[in-house]
Amino acid sequence: NAGVTQTPKFRILKIGQSMTLQCTQDMNHNYMYWYRQDPGMGLKLIYYSVGAGITDKGEVPNGYNVSRSTTEDFPLRLELAAPSQTSVYFCASTRGLGNTIYFGEGSWLTVV
Amino acid sequence: TQLLEQSPQFLSIQEGENLTVYCNSSSVFSSLQWYRQEPGEGPVLLVTVVTGGEVKKLKRLTFQFGDARKDSSLHITAAQPGDTGLYLCAGTPGTYKYIFGTGTRLKVLA
Repeated sequence: NAGVTQTPKFRILKIGQSMTLQCTQDMNHNYMYWYRQDPGMGLKLIYYSVGAGITDKGEVPNGYNVSRSTTEDFPLRLELAAPSQTSVYFCASTRGLGNTIYFGEGSWLTVV
Repeated sequence: TQLLEQSPQFLSIQEGENLTVYCNSSSVFSSLQWYRQEPGEGPVLLVTVVTGGEVKKLKRLTFQFGDARKDSSLHITAAQPGDTGLYLCAGTPGTYKYIFGTGTRLKVLA
């Protein structure tokens, strides 16, 4: 019962570096999401996908890119990391609107 | 622009007190959900409300969806220290996007 798995759990990046946060789910969910959460705040939607090959921007997409080549995987790419991207990132998936959203355990990213 | 505004942002109360958290928007939502998040973990679903005016109870927690489906409230009766956490509302404003609220951080003191 893996659910939503995201890696890495912790990462420190230098300004200008790039990296990919991996996310995979084994529930055959069509809908997948990437959120960022700053300390003590709610979640802000970065990108989402309604199925393989289909992605769209959320509330705060600048500085990020995504792809969805399979139903299971939804990686988030950070290009040219900036200190403003220091945050906790959550990947999530759901079977459909109004259904439970399942979250990964989070990825703590620090850009220095 | 934050589509879902929660109030209050922070709440610190004594064990046994009652409290209400609000989630408001100018947009209509097909459904609204409430999640609770504990430190170092992802949010966990508490309830989903789908019908305007709907009231759902989960033990000491009562959730209400506004008649116009633009707002929701969470009422906790006789709060306990175990209720401490970050409470988030979430919904889809007519699209496939799941938007989360600004969050209410609750601390219940023993």
